[in-house]
Amino acid sequence: GQQLNQSPQSMFIQEGEDVSMNCTSSSIFNTWLWYKQDPGEGPVLLIALYKAGELTSNGRLTAQFGITRKDSFLNISASIPSDVGIYFCAGSISNFGNEKLTFGTGTRLTIIP
Amino acid sequence: DGGITQSPKYLFRKEGQNVTLSCEQNLNHDAMYWYRQDPGQGLRLIYYSQIVNDFQKGDIAEGYSVSREKKESFPLTVTSAQKNPTAFYLCASSINPGPHGYTFGSGTRLTVV
Repeated sequence: GQQLNQSPQSMFIQEGEDVSMNCTSSSIFNTWLWYKQDPGEGPVLLIALYKAGELTSNGRLTAQFGITRKDSFLNISASIPSDVGIYFCAGSISNFGNEKLTFGTGTRLTIIP
Repeated sequence: DGGITQSPKYLFRKEGQNVTLSCEQNLNHDAMYWYRQDPGQGLRLIYYSQIVNDFQKGDIAEGYSVSREKKESFPLTVTSAQKNPTAFYLCASSINPGPHGYTFGSGTRLTVV
């Protein structure tokens, strides 16, 4: 099955730094979602995007729905230790994000002391 | 509080044995999903069910079986035919229609000993 390409695969940053990651697809999606997975837990939804060009924030997180509908971006500002984990993008052809999702390969974020 | 519960959290199985992973949700969601996650990898879809008494194979269904006799429950059986069953298994659910993508359980880590 198709998987979305996320980059980078892993990031090693210092506390306080800003983080950027992206997700690209060969197909058009109508919904983009970003999830975070803590070690040993299930992913938790961070941000949902439903319109091309949409920019949505959730605290220190900001995500954008690419204008081509084939990509999405997630930024984290002023990283803190609890930001550690794996970030997954997910796309859906549904306008509601409830149909079968296609997941990205994940970006693992590590904060260096 | 509504949620999705997976049990047990950790499971050990001897080679050649079948084992069943439990997934229960009280969110009144129509659709349920099973994913497999291997270290450093993304989420791969095993089976999904959009409605009671109906389910479809995902990308890696071989060696697995499911049932959906009740809306709340979607158990996954890992059979002895699954050659490499050690992995982290995630169950998810979603409402049809709905704006918020999937809700995930906290996962079951299966180890074959």
